[in-house]
Amino acid sequence: AQSVTQLGSHVSVSEGALVLLRCNYSSSVPPYLFWYVQYPNQGLQLLLKYTTGATLVKGINGFEAEFKKSETSFHLTKPSAHMSDAAEYFCAVSDLGYGNKLVFGAGTILRVKS
Amino acid sequence: KAGVTQTPRYLIKTRGQQVTLSCSPISGHRSVSWYQQTPGQGLQFLFEYFSETQRNKGNFPGRFSGRQFSNSRSEMNVSTLELGDSALYLCASSLRTGDGYTFGSGTRLTVV
Repeated sequence: AQSVTQLGSHVSVSEGALVLLRCNYSSSVPPYLFWYVQYPNQGLQLLLKYTTGATLVKGINGFEAEFKKSETSFHLTKPSAHMSDAAEYFCAVSDLGYGNKLVFGAGTILRVKS
Repeated sequence: KAGVTQTPRYLIKTRGQQVTLSCSPISGHRSVSWYQQTPGQGLQFLFEYFSETQRNKGNFPGRFSGRQFSNSRSEMNVSTLELGDSALYLCASSLRTGDGYTFGSGTRLTVV
């Protein structure tokens, strides 16, 4: 069975500092990996995805993530945090063997301090 | 291009009642999935439909059901509502497998 672990339910950074949100996954087959962001009272917005090919994936709003098969990780980074990045972030995995089902991590709330 | 539209946005129901939630996917998207989001359980997969066929189902009781119409619009129904069904219900659509989903803003259901 697939699973996703997001280390740290809350992460706090200063504006302009590096953002690092951790995600580890478990999958018996090559996974498709996703990061989503959720702002209060809204749905989820896709930040970036890894399917095949280049392991460093660039997304919207300056975010990127690197797929590391040996570490079963897909950590999300952004070089310089902005106040507008404050939100909840979800990592998700899909192995396609189960249709298009996504298995989500528990989420990480990012707080950006001024 | 219109996004995923969910109606209604907010709903208050009484325990024991039933409820139907509606989702209109992005035009051309044939895969529609539903997720339940609660503070305690997080985001949990309910079911996925593709071309009117249920392709996958999560671990929810039979009180939760859904369907997809020929125009790809989808509905989910919850019968005999329980207090624990209070949640944000998210619908998402996808053009192709592996594309990642586009989510709607959700329907917040409160059961009292």
